[in-house]
Amino acid sequence: DQQVKQNSPSLSVQEGRISILNCDYTNSMFDYFLWYKKYPAEGPTFLISISSIKDKNEDGRFTVFLNKSAKHLSLHIVPSQPGDSAVYFCAASAWYNAGNMLTFGGGTRLMVKP
Amino acid sequence: EAGVTQSPTHLIKTRGQQATLRCSPISGHTSVYWYQQALGLGLQFLLWYDEGEERNRGNFPPRFSGRQFPNYSSELNVNALELEDSALYLCASSLAGNRNTEAFFGQGTRLTVV
Repeated sequence: DQQVKQNSPSLSVQEGRISILNCDYTNSMFDYFLWYKKYPAEGPTFLISISSIKDKNEDGRFTVFLNKSAKHLSLHIVPSQPGDSAVYFCAASAWYNAGNMLTFGGGTRLMVKP
Repeated sequence: EAGVTQSPTHLIKTRGQQATLRCSPISGHTSVYWYQQALGLGLQFLLWYDEGEERNRGNFPPRFSGRQFPNYSSELNVNALELEDSALYLCASSLAGNRNTEAFFGQGTRLTVV
């Protein structure tokens, strides 16, 4: 039973346009959400996070939106750059999780075309 | 500052054998997490060690085990290897037991079981 789902395995966007990556979750106990980016042959690197007390968090070109009622979050990248081409993982943490245990989605491969 | 390092990078084992994977966390980090990423799937939480103790484990059989040493490095052991154990194994470290602190990942060990 997947508690975090990324329904789009891949996304192709033109350079300069907006990339929108989506993530849905089922566990209402999740209260902290993160996005990680992964290049081939490298480990995932942290990108941006959001607490459930917020509905938006912005960091430069990256903005994460959280819709708690819909159990949905999205990552917006504006403007998209070829270097953003990577696999993006959505992850969540429940309030009862001690430490930093995360539940990950299956990932979305983003391709930004020059 | 050195990041999370994992060894070996690649490991090929025969079904039924044992595999040992190693992880060195970032200096000052006492928590180590192990994740499995099977082909086409997201990261699945395996084990969490903090201050030398196993704090939690994911939904994996007992033949997946590990330990954390006094210097906070960690080992993941997989006994009686099965073909479906073939995956990328990722180690992450974070500051001691603090929720929602950033976890830093290593580049992973690709285990292939033949």
